[in-house]
Amino acid sequence: AQSVTQLDSQVPVFEEAPVELRCNYSSSVSVYLFWYVQYPNQGLQLLLKYLSGSTLVESINGFEAEFNKSQTSFHLRKPSVHISDTAEYFCAVSDLGGYNKLIFGAGTRLAVHP
Amino acid sequence: DADVTQTPRNRITKTGKRIMLECSQTKGHDRMYWYRQDPGLGLQLIYYSFDVKDINKGEISDGYSVSRQAQAKFSLSLESAIPNQTALYFCATSDLSGGEQFFGPGTRLTVL
Repeated sequence: AQSVTQLDSQVPVFEEAPVELRCNYSSSVSVYLFWYVQYPNQGLQLLLKYLSGSTLVESINGFEAEFNKSQTSFHLRKPSVHISDTAEYFCAVSDLGGYNKLIFGAGTRLAVHP
Repeated sequence: DADVTQTPRNRITKTGKRIMLECSQTKGHDRMYWYRQDPGLGLQLIYYSFDVKDINKGEISDGYSVSRQAQAKFSLSLESAIPNQTALYFCATSDLSGGEQFFGPGTRLTVL
């Protein structure tokens, strides 16, 4: 079985500051790793994912995450946030089986202030 | 038009009532999922399905049932709603192992 821990429930930050949202996972098997974002009153959208290969993955809007197998972490970072990044961010894992079912963390609410 | 649609978007019902939430997709995906979202708990998987003949229980299936009427339709039922089933419910689809899941807009259910 897998589990995901997001270490911060809320992260307040000023615009143009850097941010890190932390995610640790537990699994006895190899997993795929994901970050999803939920803007207010919307469903979830994929932000980025790690399946294999380079441990550093990037999104089109400036976020990046690094897979660290030894620390079982997949932290999300952005060097300079915008007001529009205000949202809830969910880290998730899935096993390598065919069902592709996700186990989510509890979420981190990122609040960007002017 | 949205690829994954959910109806209704909002529903208020009373304890003991039967309610059905519906999900339709135009993406042609085989895999469909129902999740519930509660504040501070993230999303929890209720049921998932690989095709119309394949239904599987997720983490929190007690009190819920599902029906996969066609590849494109996956319904969630609460046979006898109770207040602690008040939550935001999401349907999702995917087509590949390790692939992206595409989420619907959600149904906000309130059980009084």
